[in-house]
Amino acid sequence: KNQVEQSPQSLIILEGKNCTLQCNYTVSPFSNLRWYKQDTGRGPVSLTIMTFSENTKSNGRYTATLDADTKQSSLHITASQLSDSASYICVVTTGFQKLVFGTGTRLLVSP
Amino acid sequence: SQTIHQWPATLVQPVGSPLSLECTVEGTSNPNLYWYRQAAGRGLQLLFYSVGIGQISSEVPQNLSASRPQDRQFILSSKKLLLSDSGFYLCAWSKGGGRTDTQYFGPGTRLTVL
Repeated sequence: KNQVEQSPQSLIILEGKNCTLQCNYTVSPFSNLRWYKQDTGRGPVSLTIMTFSENTKSNGRYTATLDADTKQSSLHITASQLSDSASYICVVTTGFQKLVFGTGTRLLVSP
Repeated sequence: SQTIHQWPATLVQPVGSPLSLECTVEGTSNPNLYWYRQAAGRGLQLLFYSVGIGQISSEVPQNLSASRPQDRQFILSSKKLLLSDSGFYLCAWSKGGGRTDTQYFGPGTRLTVL
């Protein structure tokens, strides 16, 4: 069964600190992996996308890594800001636009 | 630039009433269109997707239906709402069927069925 599991479920960090969110998947065949940021009550916005051959991808203070062998991905946020407070969703694509969504990690950046 | 609109933003409906949610995309042609539902504490669930006018694929059997009367218009409907239909409904579009095509989401509709 295709599944995407994210950890932790929720996280509170102080403004300016770094954090790392985890994503483990059991999707086959694998096409690509995306990280989305979803502000409360809004639609998700794409942060990064990685294919099988890519190990890391950065978007400003966000850096995603992918280990296709262990089927793990992480999203590292550097020097967190209050605006980083949101849910972060890991999404794995299998086949033609078949997406498997994780349940997300809710991040709260505290001043 | 492309934009995606959804309305209404929020909706409170009684059980058994009909439903119609609308999604429109501007600034692109022949997009792939998607309807998702996000229940509280759950991941996004793909309900329907469409690769062209009148072409609808259903991912999950339910009492919902979708239609695409125009190239950039996608409608989600129900004849009789259930309590379990409550959730956050998101419409999304993508440029095509490429494996790396990103989906762009609309602002969502919060539906509460009482």
